Amino acid sequence: GQQVMQIPQYQHVQEGEDFTTYCNSSTTLSNIQWYKQRPGGHPVFLIQLVKSGEVKKQKRLTFQFGEAKKNSSLHITATQTTDVGTYFCAGYKHGSSNTGKLIFGQGTTLQVKP
Amino acid sequence: DAGVIQSPRHEVTEMGQEVTLRCKPISGHDYLFWYRQTMMRGLELLIYFNNNVPIDDSGMPEDRFSAKMPNASFSTLKIQPSEPRDSAVYFCASSLAGAFDKTQYFGPGTRLLVL
Repeated sequence: GQQVMQIPQYQHVQEGEDFTTYCNSSTTLSNIQWYKQRPGGHPVFLIQLVKSGEVKKQKRLTFQFGEAKKNSSLHITATQTTDVGTYFCAGYKHGSSNTGKLIFGQGTTLQVKP
Repeated sequence: DAGVIQSPRHEVTEMGQEVTLRCKPISGHDYLFWYRQTMMRGLELLIYFNNNVPIDDSGMPEDRFSAKMPNASFSTLKIQPSEPRDSAVYFCASSLAGAFDKTQYFGPGTRLLVL
C-alpha cells in the first residue's frame, strides 16, 4: 500500500541552528501537507503543497515539493524554542482506493536547546 | 466554529472495563477520522467515515475496538474490554470532502490510561 516515510525520527539542535526534515512517498502524490504537533497538543495544519517543484515560505519555515511529487522537505532557519514539537508530513492522492484519506509520515520530533 | 470536540479529555480505567470516546466533528465536514498515537507506533489511522458510513476500518486493532457514527455530528470509539496496551492518545479529526486538499482538523485528543 501507499507509504510515506519521514526522516529523521528525532533531531536535537541548539537554538539558532537550522533544521530539516524529509518526507518520501512510495507513490506520486496529488498534494502534500505539513502538520505541527506541540508537546501535549494535537496536530495542526501548517501548509499544503500542490505543484511539482513548489516552494512556500512561512517566516523561518521553507517547504518544498519535489519535481516528481514524491518527496518533500521542511526547513527551519535559525530555530527557536517555540519550534519544539513533532512535524508530520501527510500525502494525499486523488483517485486512490481510499479517497479522502491522508497518509501520514511517522513524524520528526524537534528538540531545541536554549 | 468550535473546532473538533472530543470527550472525555482524560480517562483512567481498569483493565477489562468498557471505554467510550466521543467526537463531534466540525459542522459541515463529511469525513471523520479516528487516530491513535503512542510513542512506539506513532500516529495510526484506526477508521474513517464518509457521510457517516465507515470507509476503511483496516486500522482497527482487533474486535475489541468498534466505532460508530449515528449522525453527521457525532461519533464514538468503543473499547471493550480495555487492556493496558490500549493506553494512548486517541484523536478524532474531520475534513471537508469537497475541498481539494482534504486538510484534516484534529480535536484535542483523549488521553487514555488503562491500568
